[in-house]
Amino acid sequence: NAGVMQNPRHLVRRRGQEARLRCSPVKGHSHVYWYRQLPEEGLKFMVYLQKENIIDESGMPKERFSAEFPKEGPSILRIQQVVRGDSAAYFCASSPDYAGGGHRAKNIQYFGAGTRLSVL
Amino acid sequence: QQQVKQSPQSLIVQKGGISIINCAYENTAFDYFPWYQQFPGKGPALLIAIRPDVSEKKEGRFTISFNKSAKQFSLHIMDSQPGDSATYFCAASMNNAGNMLTFGGGTRLMVKP
Repeated sequence: NAGVMQNPRHLVRRRGQEARLRCSPVKGHSHVYWYRQLPEEGLKFMVYLQKENIIDESGMPKERFSAEFPKEGPSILRIQQVVRGDSAAYFCASSPDYAGGGHRAKNIQYFGAGTRLSVL
Repeated sequence: QQQVKQSPQSLIVQKGGISIINCAYENTAFDYFPWYQQFPGKGPALLIAIRPDVSEKKEGRFTISFNKSAKQFSLHIMDSQPGDSATYFCAASMNNAGNMLTFGGGTRLMVKP
């Protein structure tokens, strides 16, 4: 049972370019969360998605950031016109459905290894 | 308030000693409190978790103590080993609000041989 897969592991972009980060959740999980971790800090929630729907994006910057989780394929976190302050590790986590894992199981989030974005 | 405050920021323990990391939260609606372990260059991995209906949970060398009235919980690592050297994060979430995790700032643990 493969875990959460994120790619690329490392991404280097110049200021003004676009960054696309991909996340494939654990097979059978339909809940995806994105978190950002700045150096020497804890993880900060960005956005919560279920298949084809954004459930909560209260942690997303209002501009340049967007996320999707299509019916087929991985979840994508997109950062347009990157700036140096976007340099961070971006982690994706997934959790099971209520029906599939039980009501307590859906609390459990499994994290990927992250994408480390460096903006030059 | 959604904050979770974690202390200490860093901790050095001798091999075989007890490592203790503390967290405090403000939102009484939180109903799930996991601890994550993160090694450099890796993603966080769930270590142990507790719900507010119990005061203690033990799994192997790892124990969570939970004090609902004080809104505090702590992780105890017994017989600490060099392999436990990592960054530890406490977190909290609400079942009826999407289960998004609110993380503490992290504790960098070093266990000396």
